[in-house]
Amino acid sequence: AQTVTQSQPEMSVQEAETVTLSCTYDTSESNYYLFWYKQPPSRQMILVIRQEAYKQQNATENRFSVNFQKAAKSFSLKISDSQLGDTAMYFCAFSYTGTASKLTFGTGTRLQVTL
Amino acid sequence: DTGVSQDPRHKITKRGQNVTFRCDPISEHNRLYWYRQTLGQGPEFLTYFQNEAQLEKSRLLSDRFSAERPKGSFSTLEIQRTEQGDSAMYLCASSPRTGGLTDTQYFGPGTRLTVL
Repeated sequence: AQTVTQSQPEMSVQEAETVTLSCTYDTSESNYYLFWYKQPPSRQMILVIRQEAYKQQNATENRFSVNFQKAAKSFSLKISDSQLGDTAMYFCAFSYTGTASKLTFGTGTRLQVTL
Repeated sequence: DTGVSQDPRHKITKRGQNVTFRCDPISEHNRLYWYRQTLGQGPEFLTYFQNEAQLEKSRLLSDRFSAERPKGSFSTLEIQRTEQGDSAMYLCASSPRTGGLTDTQYFGPGTRLTVL
């Protein structure tokens, strides 16, 4: 079974600075998807960015980008120009390709953006 | 598009009581997922529907748990004889089905269950 590990329980960054959240995973499959989800305090979870394992190019979404290292099974999230609204729990998640597509989540990283 | 909705948002019950939660997915999304999130943890998969068919259940889903999705629209998750260990946030998500690709799952706000 696949596992997802987030080794940073909490991180803090000043507004306008850059921060990187780490994620590693374990799977024997070659085709899969990786996601970063954001869960603001008392609000619902939303997708930040996704990466297909067969794509070598790292995904980017505005201020958010990933560093996907398939051989190392690493999938880090970089947030540039951090904003107060980025304060949230960030979850790394994995899913196989196929019909089920259920997500396996890490334990999360709590990010605090400060003035 | 009003998003995924869940009802109730909060539920407090006494141990041994039955509870039922409802999830309304985004219209035309034919996949629906239930997850459970305990404090300090990431969500854990419970079960999954494609239209009205329940296609997969996690081992976390004991025989006290049952989920339905009649007519492939809204879904209900029932917990019978609740235990304190059932206290958690229950999240629902839905996704469309397009080809063979994994689709983005859109999450609801969750139902927070507290069992006293």
